[in-house]
Amino acid sequence: DVVLTQSPATLSVTPGERISLSCRASESVDTYLHWYQQKPNESPRLLIKYASQSISGIPSRFSGSGSGTDFTLSINGVELEDLSIYYCQQGNSLPTFGAGTKLELK
Amino acid sequence: QVQLKESGPGLVQPSQTLSLTCTVSGFSLTSYNVHWVRQPPGKGLEWMGRMRYNGDTSYNSALKSRLSISRDTSKNQVFLKMNSLQTDDTGTYYCTRGLGAFDYWGQGVMVTVSS
Repeated sequence: DVVLTQSPATLSVTPGERISLSCRASESVDTYLHWYQQKPNESPRLLIKYASQSISGIPSRFSGSGSGTDFTLSINGVELEDLSIYYCQQGNSLPTFGAGTKLELK
Repeated sequence: QVQLKESGPGLVQPSQTLSLTCTVSGFSLTSYNVHWVRQPPGKGLEWMGRMRYNGDTSYNSALKSRLSISRDTSKNQVFLKMNSLQTDDTGTYYCTRGLGAFDYWGQGVMVTVSS
């Protein structure tokens, strides 16, 4: 199974700052890497697909980059509504998820 | 519009079998894969298995011996059955649509394994 390692586990943020979340794969997943946001008591929501492709309805401050084993989700100007847990997921082989990164208020 | 909805018992006794149904609308089961994903309380997401659009199934290797996924295309339903439940199977179970990324999710159903 492909193991996805997300870092940091928790990130304390200030509204308005630009942040980056990391997801590293134990083997190459090409660009079959997707990002989700999950707020408390809600289902996950797809943010970015295939490493960098935007999703309709998702604010443009969210962007993704990377290929192979190293991926980044960036938020350009964090807003309070972005305080959530973010998961990466690979689909190059049977799907697996990372353990998540929690954004909290500094 | 695309919708998925999970249904099933909220409480299952240890060693018993869990049966869940995912009822979908707004798309065809013969065009999209449907996956099951679960989440223990306060923990992360775990992919369980999938029903592919062509009827093939795939399972998480850690659950394969206990898990079965099937479907009824005439009723737009996908079924999950998992046997020998233990307390660490407690959590929220989601069905989600995806050919690659999981673009639509159900609201989830909370399952508690307890006597």
